[in-house]
Amino acid sequence: AQSVAQPEDQVNVAEGNPLTVKCTYSVSGNPYLFWYVQYPNRGLQFLLKYITGDNLVKGSYGFEAEFNKSQTSFHLKKPSALVSDSALYFCAVAGTASKLTFGTGTRLQVTL
Amino acid sequence: DVKVTQSSRYLVKRTGEKVFLECVQDMDHENMFWYRQDPGLGLRLIYFSYDVKMKEKGDIPEGYSVSREKKERFSLILESASTNQTSMYLCASNKQGPGTQYFGPGTRLLVL
Repeated sequence: AQSVAQPEDQVNVAEGNPLTVKCTYSVSGNPYLFWYVQYPNRGLQFLLKYITGDNLVKGSYGFEAEFNKSQTSFHLKKPSALVSDSALYFCAVAGTASKLTFGTGTRLQVTL
Repeated sequence: DVKVTQSSRYLVKRTGEKVFLECVQDMDHENMFWYRQDPGLGLRLIYFSYDVKMKEKGDIPEGYSVSREKKERFSLILESASTNQTSMYLCASNKQGPGTQYFGPGTRLLVL
């Protein structure tokens, strides 16, 4: 069975500071890894994904994520946070099948 | 742009009512998914469909059924709504395989 852990319910960061949202995963075979963002009362929006290739993946809105196979991690990062980045972030994993397994989500709060 | 639409943003129903949630995608995607989202639990897969008239149970199918008569449309049915089915329901679609899923805006269902 595949699983995702997001160990932090909430991450607080000041605007302009770097941010990291953590994600670890478990899956048989090579993983397909995703990050999604959800703004209040909205559906999920795709941010970025890792399938193969370069371990550093760049996505929308200046976000990036680093795939680390030995640590089974896929942490989301941004060099300089904005107040508008405040939202709920989900990490997800898939194996070779179509089904995604999501983490429980991490709320990012960026303050002035 | 991929567009996934859901028939209602908000619904209020009574216990025991039959409830239909509809989802339509316009990208000719083979796969469609229904999730429910609850605080602290993330997204949990209820059912998914990989072709017309084909369906597979997800992690929490009890109390739900689905219908896919046309490729672009995937319906979630609550045969007899209960208060513990109060939740946010999200529909998603993607092409075959573990690719990026695209989400609708969600339906917030309240069962009284």
